[in-house]
Amino acid sequence: GDSVTQMEGPVTLSEEAFLTINCTYTATGYPSLFWYVQYPGEGLQLLLKATKADDKGSNKGFEATYRKETTSFHLEKGSVQVSDSAVYFCALYTGGFKTIFGAGTRLFVKA
Amino acid sequence: DAGITQSPRHKVTETGTPVTLRCHQTENHRYMYWYRQDPGHGLRLIHYSYGVKDTDKGEVSDGYSVSRSKTEDFLLTLESATSSQTSVYFCAISEGTGNNSPLHFGNGTRLTVT
Repeated sequence: GDSVTQMEGPVTLSEEAFLTINCTYTATGYPSLFWYVQYPGEGLQLLLKATKADDKGSNKGFEATYRKETTSFHLEKGSVQVSDSAVYFCALYTGGFKTIFGAGTRLFVKA
Repeated sequence: DAGITQSPRHKVTETGTPVTLRCHQTENHRYMYWYRQDPGHGLRLIHYSYGVKDTDKGEVSDGYSVSRSKTEDFLLTLESATSSQTSVYFCAISEGTGNNSPLHFGNGTRLTVT
């Protein structure tokens, strides 16, 4: 069945470091891909999305490119801040009411 | 921020007792969802609703029931709580379904079953 695999965390970086969080997926058809972010004590919020192959989603300095050939949607940011500390979820939408979430990757950014 | 309120925010209950969690939205969105979040599993769909009195099961619906008597309220009931239902529960809403209708989440209810 459809699934999402994220790199295990936690990921610990210093401020201004480059961030990559890997996400790969398995899906039939042509899913849409999302990154959600969860700050402490809050629910998930949409960070960015891409709806077809080669699309790049971007928001708040984060980017991810929908790569069909490698079934990947890796999240990147050129220079992280302490305020980026959160849990990041990769997700895919295949239709209907079903959004499948990865296990989440916790990011800690040190000042 | 989407107007979604979950209550209670925290609850401790004993095995075998009934528990009801409430989700209230002020966005007038048609679709509402209940997810549970557990370490290593991400979020898993329990039940969802596509209108008043219209609900269906998600992937982990055993032991849970839901009701939606008004557009703004979606209730999740654990008829007889078990320790395996200790989790963080999130309500979500969406305006539609599809690529351009992302989910908006409440802040969660942390439930502990002792």
